[in-house]
Amino acid sequence: QSALTQPASVSGSPGQSITISCTGTSSDVGSRNLVSWYQQHPGKAPKLMIYEGSKRPSGVSNRFSGSKSGNTASLTISGLQSEDEADYYCCSYAGSGPSWVFGGGTKLAVL
Amino acid sequence: QVQLVESGGGVVQPGGSLRLSCAASGFTFSRYGMHWVRQAPGKGLEWVAFIQNDGRDKWYADSVKGRFTISRDSSNNTVYLQMNSLRHEDTALFYCAKDLPGTYTVDYWGQGTLVTVSS
Repeated sequence: QSALTQPASVSGSPGQSITISCTGTSSDVGSRNLVSWYQQHPGKAPKLMIYEGSKRPSGVSNRFSGSKSGNTASLTISGLQSEDEADYYCCSYAGSGPSWVFGGGTKLAVL
Repeated sequence: QVQLVESGGGVVQPGGSLRLSCAASGFTFSRYGMHWVRQAPGKGLEWVAFIQNDGRDKWYADSVKGRFTISRDSSNNTVYLQMNSLRHEDTALFYCAKDLPGTYTVDYWGQGTLVTVSS
């Protein structure tokens, strides 16, 4: 399984909205709505932000939302805050084994 | 609250072996599948292995298949990763994580244990 494709970096100003894309194939992202998104601050463990494409775990701000179209999943963060500055990773269940595949990660800068 | 505490990391020579442990608490361990995920220094996340809640099924990334073995002991709420034939490219921070049942989602993560493969 090849890694999912994410932009290396995105940036936005406080209060703005940004979207991070995650492109896979018909064997992973496109085959089922089992994409999850993680936030990782420097030196910290990843934290689950979105699962099953668009569901938020308890305690995650509703400023975070997920969607999918075809082989591409997206994470949108609205009302950007300084504490949102972190690395974000997508992950898809990929069957065939089964297995899970991660994206390469996107560094979000809040300017 | 959920706690996952990894241990067993260290420096090992290429071709060597290491066993990682992950002690779980704060949830009913026997009901949850468990993952190992690694992160090479400065790099992204890579899924390594998964074991079902009852330990019957185990799945591995192609990069570690045949070299790593995941196991669990529900009597002491611990999941293990036996790593053999280690390579330089196995150098990484290894995270233990619990599954979110029925969703195929890597849920809560521990803080990780560092494995360095170096001669």
